[in-house]
Amino acid sequence: DAKTTQPNSMESNEEEPVHLPCNHSTISGTDYIHWYRQLPSQGPEYVIHGLTSNVNNRMASLAIAEDRKSSTLILHRATLRDAAVYYCILRALPGSDSGYALNFGKGTSLLVTP
Amino acid sequence: NAGVTQTPKFQVLKTGQSMTLQCAQDMNHEYMSWYRQDPGMGLRLIHYSVGAGITDQGEVPNGYNVSRSTTEDFPLRLLSAAPSQTSVYFCASSYWWDTEAFFGQGTRLTVV
Repeated sequence: DAKTTQPNSMESNEEEPVHLPCNHSTISGTDYIHWYRQLPSQGPEYVIHGLTSNVNNRMASLAIAEDRKSSTLILHRATLRDAAVYYCILRALPGSDSGYALNFGKGTSLLVTP
Repeated sequence: NAGVTQTPKFQVLKTGQSMTLQCAQDMNHEYMSWYRQDPGMGLRLIHYSVGAGITDQGEVPNGYNVSRSTTEDFPLRLLSAAPSQTSVYFCASSYWWDTEAFFGQGTRLTVV
């Protein structure tokens, strides 16, 4: 299975941009890059996903390296509500070794300070 | 539109007891799955279903059974609870394999 590597923790000041990195050097050509976050005592929440091109939505932006071996989740203005664990996940095609699973690692714990 | 609903939110079981964790979704999603999350860990897949009548095992299926008789419901059964099954359980659903997954709020299970 393709694996992802994220820093254990990061810290940001409120209202500043946050760049959360993810390395996935063994990514295959058909793997999608998904980001989820988990706020304290809640279920995971979808943030964004992409394949090759950079993606934007109301929550965040996803910047994907040209060789697809790394990606960065960008929160444009961090708020206290963004304090959560952020998971970078590769989704493989059904029928592959990892199948349907969302393979959560330990993620990056983001601390936002006022 | 309630999304993914899990019941109960909290449960304490004695070793050897059986119980069923309920999961229901009202979004007409084909894909449903169960995960467990142990303290300080990421989620691990227990079982999943790609449609009514179709289920398969995930990473940690031992001690759990599932069935999918309707599109809406995907119950998880603990056959004989063990302390190692103390965990938070999350149910998720999605329209297709690569689309946004919606998670329930979780069931916190303690086995004593």
